[in-house]
Amino acid sequence: DTEVTQTPKHLVMGMTNKKSLKCEQHMGHRAMYWYKQKAKKPPELMFVYSYEKLSINESVPSRFSPECPNSSLLNLHLHALQPEDSALYLCASSQVTGSRGYTFGSGTRLTVV
Amino acid sequence: GENVEQHPSTLSVQEGDSAVIKCTYSDSASNYFPWYKQELGKRPQLIIDIRSNVGEKKDQRIAVTLNKTAKHFSLHITETQPEDSAVYFCAASYTGTASKLTFGTGTRLQVTL
Repeated sequence: DTEVTQTPKHLVMGMTNKKSLKCEQHMGHRAMYWYKQKAKKPPELMFVYSYEKLSINESVPSRFSPECPNSSLLNLHLHALQPEDSALYLCASSQVTGSRGYTFGSGTRLTVV
Repeated sequence: GENVEQHPSTLSVQEGDSAVIKCTYSDSASNYFPWYKQELGKRPQLIIDIRSNVGEKKDQRIAVTLNKTAKHFSLHITETQPEDSAVYFCAASYTGTASKLTFGTGTRLQVTL
């Protein structure tokens, strides 16, 4: 299996809602990432997990809460988001060292209303 | 931190012509330079990568060159086809740990008939 699977593909949520994005990979990668991508912009790093531990948090607001329950799963919990948080949220995975490069999931297109 | 600049932002070529996209990076510790292709509404896909101990790498119609001294790397696409039309991102990272992949700002390539 050489894929990263993200669910849901699309999500519309209100500013008072709580929702979660899910990401799964079975490539044995021990590094997993959340990126946010706005239209016509490059992906921007949010979080890095290495061996299931949070290793990088790019000063992301606390309304985004990541979780890595095991080596195959990565979640992003969302609460009290703002309309400007609407974007494509990409999960990726890679080897921890000597990386072959990231494998990206298809992303979740999030709209906050 | 790392900063990656990418030029041009848009590139239009005729089918069959070559396309060249250039990037510069700032952090001399970066040792891994992937290129991603992103079609509209889809995930970034790795198309080619190069490590700092190599000056050039080719894969069919795609080649990447790296000048470590000048901190430049470039993507070359020969015999372009309409299906090459997409946004291309260069990136840079250090592979010693699960680290941030810093992206360039992207080049929108349009291959016209």
